[in-house]
Amino acid sequence: QQQVKQSPQSLIVQKGGISIINCAYENTAFDYFPWYQQFPGKGPALLIAIRPDVSEKKEGRFTISFNKSAKQFSLHIMDSQPGDSATYFCAATVSGGSNYKLTFGKGTLLTVNP
Amino acid sequence: DADVTQTPRNRITKTGKRIMLECSQTKGHDRMYWYRQDPGLGLRLIYYSFDVKDINKGEISDGYSVSRQAQAKFSLSLESAIPNQTALYFCATSDRLGATDTQYFGPGTRLTVL
Repeated sequence: QQQVKQSPQSLIVQKGGISIINCAYENTAFDYFPWYQQFPGKGPALLIAIRPDVSEKKEGRFTISFNKSAKQFSLHIMDSQPGDSATYFCAATVSGGSNYKLTFGKGTLLTVNP
Repeated sequence: DADVTQTPRNRITKTGKRIMLECSQTKGHDRMYWYRQDPGLGLRLIYYSFDVKDINKGEISDGYSVSRQAQAKFSLSLESAIPNQTALYFCATSDRLGATDTQYFGPGTRLTVL
């Protein structure tokens, strides 16, 4: 059972464009939604995260939009740059619990062309 | 992240061989995880440990075993390697008391089973 569905699987954007990656979840108990960024040859690293008490969180060019009723959240990368080319994973979890672990989406390979 | 190290970084082995992947961390975290990454399948949890005496199976534990030798060390073993265990393996850590529930990943081990 895939609890976090991520789309698209791959995305090509021109420099300066907007990259949008979408995720949907099933478990209504999830209350923490991070995005991880992975460059080739490296481990994933936390990029930005949101909790469901807000509908949007912005950090620089990266924004998470959250729709609790639709059980969806998305990552927007404004003014995309070639250096943003990486694989992006959304994830979800029930935070602070005794059984904390992340459920990841399958990832999106983003390519930003110069 | 240099605080989480994995050895070896690359390994080629033959079907039926026993192999151990090692993970060490200097972050002082209680929680450690093993994931495998396959193209198009994202990150899948193999095993996780919340302290030295606590070991839990993840979603794909068959064919794998783990050992938590100390708070800082968590090893993954393939008792009899098979070709479909060819993948990129990541160790990660997180802090039980962390409000952000961030997982910190090692650089990965690329395993090839011939």
